[in-house]
Amino acid sequence: VQLVQSGAEVKKPGESLKISCKGSGFSFPIYWIGWVRQMPGKGLEWVATIYPSDSDTRYSPSFQGRVTISADKSINTAYLQWSSLSASDTAIYYCARQSGSSGYVQHWGQGTLVTVSP
Amino acid sequence: SYVLTQPPSVSVAPGQTARITCGGNNIGSRSVHWYQQKPGQAPVLVVYDDSARPSGISERFSGSNSGNTATLTISKVDAGDEADYSCQVWDSGSDRPGVFGTGTTVTVL
Repeated sequence: VQLVQSGAEVKKPGESLKISCKGSGFSFPIYWIGWVRQMPGKGLEWVATIYPSDSDTRYSPSFQGRVTISADKSINTAYLQWSSLSASDTAIYYCARQSGSSGYVQHWGQGTLVTVSP
Repeated sequence: SYVLTQPPSVSVAPGQTARITCGGNNIGSRSVHWYQQKPGQAPVLVVYDDSARPSGISERFSGSNSGNTATLTISKVDAGDEADYSCQVWDSGSDRPGVFGTGTTVTVL
């Protein structure tokens, strides 16, 4: 099982961004794939999760309306996108494959550092 | 939304036992998972479904969950256990994704 994320990004406030997470070694469509944010020096926060088979999506209240999660099951890839970044979006974003009915994460991507600075 | 509360820090002497709590309303009715994270690395699952250990995780890591508190116990602590630890739950029947606890930094004295 592997989750390979896109590379680090440096953006300006107001710009848009889409980061990706490509899965391999497992049946991508039938696992919940989530995005987890970690701001500098802070803890883990769940952003959103998606079930690629039917694109069922769930967002944490803090992120609803501010980001969009999507997936293309034909290429085993999940995405997280912003239409207008702000400095407070600066963080490492991990993708995570959830397992079982209880949603634990045994497989993580390597993380994508997003830096938003004027 | 559901809130999971952890102590910010726990200090323990080498060879002793560290206990990290995760408090949440009726958390005993949910499955709790625990992650270890060292600086510059992605999190690692150390306990899932309250008390199960993934393959490759030391038997020194154990978990329990009852009432309003889940606990991760690390026995015979050594310097390699110094890290941040976070609990997590997920209700597949809800319209929300998972929730993480506030995180605990374990310091080995």
